[in-house]
Amino acid sequence: LAKTTQPISMDSYEGQEVNITCSHNNIATNDYITWYQQFPSQGPRFIIQGYKTKVKNEVASLFIPADRKSSTLSLPRVSLSDTAVYYCLVGDPQGGSNYQLIWGAGTKLIIKP
Amino acid sequence: DGGITQSPKYLFRKEGQNVTLSCEQNLNHDAMYWYRQDPGQGLRLIYYSQIVNDFQKGDIAEGYSVSREKKESFPLTVTSAQKNPTAFYLCASSMGADADTQYFGPGTRLTVL
Repeated sequence: LAKTTQPISMDSYEGQEVNITCSHNNIATNDYITWYQQFPSQGPRFIIQGYKTKVKNEVASLFIPADRKSSTLSLPRVSLSDTAVYYCLVGDPQGGSNYQLIWGAGTKLIIKP
Repeated sequence: DGGITQSPKYLFRKEGQNVTLSCEQNLNHDAMYWYRQDPGQGLRLIYYSQIVNDFQKGDIAEGYSVSREKKESFPLTVTSAQKNPTAFYLCASSMGADADTQYFGPGTRLTVL
């Protein structure tokens, strides 16, 4: 059963680049890594997904090393509105076609002016 | 306008009563999920369903029940056997059942008095 580990909280300032790392040992060969953002009293929202190396979209980048045992979400030039909890999610198949989805505990990111 | 709807947004019940939370999606997704979130905590999987008329227990299924009679609907019943039901409940759906991108509803906050 894979487990994920994230920092509990991080602080940064407006305009800075923020990197949040998630450790996921025993990630399966076919699993993807997905990051979500959650604001208080709302459902999580998809940010980015990757399998290996680097993925980039209009809001973030995702770096995954060759061994895939960790991933780093990079948020460029953050603003106050990026204050939220960020989760990483990996799929963890446990035989057959049934999967266990292992969510990280989340990283509370606070952006200061 | 596609998406996931959950109703109601706030729900109050007396201790010992069963209560059913609604989740509907019009995204034509095969998989649906129910999560529980306690204050300051991450998401914990209650049940998930990969296909109509089939569902699997997640990490904390005790005291909960689900049904998947239609592709679009995945209601969750919180029974009186759930010892601490007060929480924020989130429903999600995805195309497939692995770490595919999940789309979340707005959540239902259940308070048991």
